[in-house]
Amino acid sequence: EDQVTQSPEALRLQEGESSSLNCSYTVSGLRGLFWYRQDPGKGPEFLFTLYSAGEEKEKERLKATLTKKESFLHITAPKPEDSATYLCAVQETSGSRLTFGEGTQLTVNP
Amino acid sequence: NAGVTQTPKFRILKIGQSMTLQCTQDMNHNYMYWYRQDPGMGLKLIYYSVGAGITDKGEVPNGYNVSRSTTEDFPLRLELAAPSQTSVYFCASSYYRKSEQFFGPGTRLTVL
Repeated sequence: EDQVTQSPEALRLQEGESSSLNCSYTVSGLRGLFWYRQDPGKGPEFLFTLYSAGEEKEKERLKATLTKKESFLHITAPKPEDSATYLCAVQETSGSRLTFGEGTQLTVNP
Repeated sequence: NAGVTQTPKFRILKIGQSMTLQCTQDMNHNYMYWYRQDPGMGLKLIYYSVGAGITDKGEVPNGYNVSRSTTEDFPLRLELAAPSQTSVYFCASSYYRKSEQFFGPGTRLTVL
C-alpha cells in the first residue's frame, strides 16, 4: 500500500527565512510525485510534478527535488503570500489514483 | 475556461437524507475524480472515471455512488447521509492518466 508522510505538520517562518518541507513516500513503483498548494477554503492548486530521482523543478521562490525515498520543497526567502498548506501526492505506475500526504501548513510572518 | 466547477458550495443534511454533488469540467479531460478531505487529513479518493460510461471505486467508496454519462459531468450521489460523511468534497480532472489533476473549489457538507 502506498504511503506518504509529510513533515513538519506545521511550520512558522519569518519573511525571508528560507526552509524546506519534507515528503517521504513508499510506493511499489513511482510514476510521479506531485506538489500542490492549498489555500484555506479552496481546492488544491498544482505546483510541480517530479518523475525520477535527481529531478528538480523551480517556480518563483519554490524548488522541488526528488530522491528515491523522499521529496523536498525548498522555499527561498518566503513572503507572507506563500502561507498555505502544501500537499504532496504520489502516483504509482500501475494506476491513475493519487495518494496524498496530510500536508504541511506553512505560515510566513511579515 | 472555467476549469472544474462544483455545486453547491455548502450544504447541511439531516441523517438519512440524500443529495447529489455536481461537478463539471470544460477542459475536455478524460479522467475525473472525487475526493473527500477531513480536517487535518490528506485527500482520500472516493471514486474515479477514465471516460464517459466508465467508473471505478477508490479508497473510500462506501455510502457513495457515481455516474459518468458525459465527458463534462461527474456527479457524486450520497444515499442515506451519515455524520461520518461530514467533510469537504473535491472534484478533480486530468487529461490523461499521468498528468496533473485540476481541482474544483470544493463542497463543504455537514450531516447532522
